[in-house]
Amino acid sequence: DVKVTQSSRYLVKRTGEKVFLECVQDMDHENMFWYRQDPGLGLRLIYFSYDVKMKEKGDIPEGYSVSREKKERFSLILESASTNQTSMYLCASSLLTPGNEKLFFGSGTQLSVL
Amino acid sequence: GQQLNQSPQSMFIQEGEDVSMNCTSSSIFNTWLWYKQEPGEGPVLLIALYKAGELTSNGRLTAQFGITRKDSFLNISASIPSDVGIYFCAGRRNSGGSNYKLTFGKGTLLTVNP
Repeated sequence: DVKVTQSSRYLVKRTGEKVFLECVQDMDHENMFWYRQDPGLGLRLIYFSYDVKMKEKGDIPEGYSVSREKKERFSLILESASTNQTSMYLCASSLLTPGNEKLFFGSGTQLSVL
Repeated sequence: GQQLNQSPQSMFIQEGEDVSMNCTSSSIFNTWLWYKQEPGEGPVLLIALYKAGELTSNGRLTAQFGITRKDSFLNISASIPSDVGIYFCAGRRNSGGSNYKLTFGKGTLLTVNP
């Protein structure tokens, strides 16, 4: 079974802190994604990557950056956390093709910015 | 970005009842998917649909890819308490550089009373 592991289940940070959310997958998937999930808004794509060192902006990239130095690891960075970035963050991975529509998600990181 | 309208937002049903939910879009999608998110977990893929008119079942779940390619339906028959969760539809347009991106609906929260 594919396993997508997010390093923290819960995080509490202060406004202005730099925050790293880490995600690792063990199935050699090319694609990796970061979503945020907010009540009433569903899942919104922040960034995705289809190869090492490659990244593309999703629908809401402002205030975030990402890093993909190794195929299995995709990091989401909040350079200066703000209260409106309090959310559930979900990492996902998929094959490049075929089957790239079948996302495998981690269990999520609930981030609170105070 | 593209929008998927998912309804209903929430449902409260009795165990044993059938459930229907749907997703509509103003744009054509080439792939429709249905995911389920249980409390404290990331979404898990239930059903993937690839062809207009396609009807696919997974146990008590049945999903259809609308003929117009602008909608999809998910039905759950004889609901049980473990059906509780948030159900997301997702669509993908095969459009070159955005081929990896899914658009998600806002979710349907299902509660099943035993």
